[in-house]
Amino acid sequence: QVQLVQSGAEVKKPGSSVKVSCKASGDTFNIYGITWVRQAPGQGLEWIGGIIPIIGTSNYAQKFQGRVTITADKSTSTAYMELSSLTSEDTAVYYCAREFRGGGWFDPWGQGTLVTVSS
Amino acid sequence: DIQMTQSPSSLSASVGDRVTITCRASQTIRRYLNWYQQKPGKAPKVLIYAASSLRSGVPSRFSGSGSETDFTLTISSLQPEDFATYYCQQSYSIPRTFGQGTKVEI
Repeated sequence: QVQLVQSGAEVKKPGSSVKVSCKASGDTFNIYGITWVRQAPGQGLEWIGGIIPIIGTSNYAQKFQGRVTITADKSTSTAYMELSSLTSEDTAVYYCAREFRGGGWFDPWGQGTLVTVSS
Repeated sequence: DIQMTQSPSSLSASVGDRVTITCRASQTIRRYLNWYQQKPGKAPKVLIYAASSLRSGVPSRFSGSGSETDFTLTISSLQPEDFATYYCQQSYSIPRTFGQGTKVEI
């Protein structure tokens, strides 16, 4: 059974950066993509970007361009999402998920990482 | 970016009811449409992918239909464990985009 296990909750100051990890089991990195989605408190789902680890290419939502970097370490099957210049509006649960290439659905998802931005 | 619009935003239903949620794309997405269920405090789970394919392990009371711009998620007989929020998501193009969600309440 494929699992994605994310790093723990973070509390950050405005203006700082956060780096969330997502470790995958199985053949995920050789075949699939990894995508990142966030959910602010009481809000819907928002796509941040994704990476195809076997190729190394990343795509980002325009809203986060210049502020987010998604990387993948194939040797440890771990993906990372780093978001900089944090504001209170970045307070959210951040999820990683496996993306099926060609079809584009997300399954499974990690458990989520709460990032709180507060002075 | 492709805009995804779900309706209704919320609905009240009873156990045993037939429930239909619609999702409209701002341009054609062929059949690149996926449905997720999310319960409070939990990560979303995929129910339907490619508009009408049922994810293994998902009960057959869930079904999806549609193509191009108009899609539907149907729950044929609502069960207590189905009270949740449902999202559609297009995978036709980057950026991936979600509908705003439909909350199914008792």
